[in-house]
Amino acid sequence: GQNIDQPTEMTATEGAIVQINCTYQTSGFNGLFWYQQHAGEAPTFLSYNVLDGLEEKGRFSSFLSRSKGYSYLLLKELQMKDSASYLCAVMDSNYQLIWGAGTKLIIKP
Amino acid sequence: NAGVTQTPKFQVLKTGQSMTLQCAQDMNHEYMSWYRQDPGMGLRLIHYSVGAGITDQGEVPNGYNVSRSTTEDFPLRLLSAAPSQTSVYFCASSYSRTDLALAGNTDTQYFGPGTRLTVL
Repeated sequence: GQNIDQPTEMTATEGAIVQINCTYQTSGFNGLFWYQQHAGEAPTFLSYNVLDGLEEKGRFSSFLSRSKGYSYLLLKELQMKDSASYLCAVMDSNYQLIWGAGTKLIIKP
Repeated sequence: NAGVTQTPKFQVLKTGQSMTLQCAQDMNHEYMSWYRQDPGMGLRLIHYSVGAGITDQGEVPNGYNVSRSTTEDFPLRLLSAAPSQTSVYFCASSYSRTDLALAGNTDTQYFGPGTRLTVL
């Protein structure tokens, strides 16, 4: 079966750095997405990786290793507004998105 | 552009009732989909459409029907509501299904604000 694993919850301090991991086993691979979802709101797109390596976008970076079935989202200079759930999703060979359950990130002052 | 709109935002149903969740987009997107989101689980695909007149089943289609008579609208119908259908429902759209794989750093999939459904 297809499976996306990510930690259920993480806590970090304002101003610090946090890394949210995602491992996946899917039928084929056409890219990995990270979405941010604030409580009670819709997911919003953060990043997309299809090749190995690091993609940097401001305070957020996303890394992919296809051989290891592994990705991480790195958030730097954490702000209180970064408190949200972070969803990892993989597009399989049928171009369907397989979603992880999400990681709830709690930022403490 | 209004983006992706969904109505209603909240709904309470009794077991056995039927209702339609509305979804519309004004971006001329071909690909539209419906997801449900439950605590502790990832988004699960209910139905999707790759264009007007074409629909297909996703991962959890039982108990739901869809139609796509126009490019803009993609309503989701609950035939006979059950407590197991209590969930948050999101509609999403993009230019095409494969367009997501060609996104690069472009945000190409847009979600509606969601409908919170409770079935008693």
